[in-house]
Amino acid sequence: AQTVTQSQPEMSVQEAETVTLSCTYDTSESDYYLFWYKQPPSRQMILVIRQEAYKQQNATENRFSVNFQKAAKSFSLKISDSQLGDAAMYFCAYSYNNAGNMLTFGGGTRLMVKP
Amino acid sequence: EAGVAQSPRYKIIEKRQSVAFWCNPISGHATLYWYQQILGQGPKLLIQFQNNGVVDDSQLPKDRFSAERLKGVDSTLKIQPAKLEDSAVYLCASSLDWTRADTQYFGPGTRLTVL
Repeated sequence: AQTVTQSQPEMSVQEAETVTLSCTYDTSESDYYLFWYKQPPSRQMILVIRQEAYKQQNATENRFSVNFQKAAKSFSLKISDSQLGDAAMYFCAYSYNNAGNMLTFGGGTRLMVKP
Repeated sequence: EAGVAQSPRYKIIEKRQSVAFWCNPISGHATLYWYQQILGQGPKLLIQFQNNGVVDDSQLPKDRFSAERLKGVDSTLKIQPAKLEDSAVYLCASSLDWTRADTQYFGPGTRLTVL
């Protein structure tokens, strides 16, 4: 069974600084997808970034980038120039086509941003 | 473009009562998902529909939970009878098609409290 682990229950960062959230996963599949979702207090899950496992290049979206280490089964999220609006729960998630694209989520990391 | 709509946003019931949640996906999205998110955990898939057919319901407690998507658009999730451990946020998500790992868009969720 696929599992996703986020070992940091809480992280804090100073506004304008950089923070990295960790995620590891376990799978025997070779073709899969990894995601980072943000969940603010309003509860609405918002996709931050996605990575296809077959792509060697790390995905980036503005201030958000990932470090995808396929052999180590590691998928960390780096947030640069942190803003107050980045404060939220962040969930790492995994999916693969043979499972109907269902998402398997990690337990989440609460990110606090200090002004 | 309208997002995924869910209602109600909050529901409080006594144990052994029945409750139903409604979801309206993004227009044109063939795939619809129901996730259960217990406080402090990541969401867990309950059931996945492709149009009006079930793709995966392996984690749906079928003795008390049921879901339908009769016309391939709106969906309802029902719990009958509810237990204390059903207290959670119920998230609905939709995507264009599950076979291409399309991005899942989430609704705001329904927070259920069972007393």
